[in-house]
Amino acid sequence: AQKVTQAQTEISVVEKEDVTLDCVYETRDTTYYLFWYKQPPSGELVFLIRRNSFDEQNEISGRYSWNFQKSTSSFNFTITASQVVDSAVYFCALSEPNTGTASKLTFGTGTRLQVTL
Amino acid sequence: DGGITQSPKYLFRKEGQNVTLSCEQNLNHDAMYWYRQDPGQGLRLIYYSQIVNDFQKGDIAEGYSVSREKKESFPLTVTSAQKNPTAFYLCASSITNREQFFGPGTRLTVL
Repeated sequence: AQKVTQAQTEISVVEKEDVTLDCVYETRDTTYYLFWYKQPPSGELVFLIRRNSFDEQNEISGRYSWNFQKSTSSFNFTITASQVVDSAVYFCALSEPNTGTASKLTFGTGTRLQVTL
Repeated sequence: DGGITQSPKYLFRKEGQNVTLSCEQNLNHDAMYWYRQDPGQGLRLIYYSQIVNDFQKGDIAEGYSVSREKKESFPLTVTSAQKNPTAFYLCASSITNREQFFGPGTRLTVL
């Protein structure tokens, strides 16, 4: 069975600090996708990134960066110079093998990030 | 604008009532999904549909039903058999092997 663990329930930082959100996953599949989503207080999930299991290159997008390490089954997310607008719940998710047009996701329990002034 | 709409935003149900949550997308996506979110938990899959007139049970389908008569619509009915329906419900859609896009959600409360 697939599993996604986000051990950090809640993190609180002061604006401009860097923060890393951890994600550890379990799967028996060799081909899979990993995702990060942001859920602001409004409730709607916002897609941040999708990573193929064969692509271990780190990715940077503005203040966001992702570190995918297959050897440790981790896909960590770092926010550099955090801002108040980054306050949200962040979810890591893992796709199940595609058996059609749908892609079922297993979500972690989320990490609530609070950025204060 | 392309996107996913869910209605209503808030819904109140009395014990023993069935209620239907609406989900519409104009992204031309084949696949659609329904998730339930409870406080402190991640999202759990209720049902998903890959094409019109086809749908599959997710991890927590008991007490729920769906239909997919049109590509753009995937309504969810919460039946009286669902013992603890108070939760936040999210609808999503996707194309094959791509990220899912989510609607704004419906918050259901049982009175």
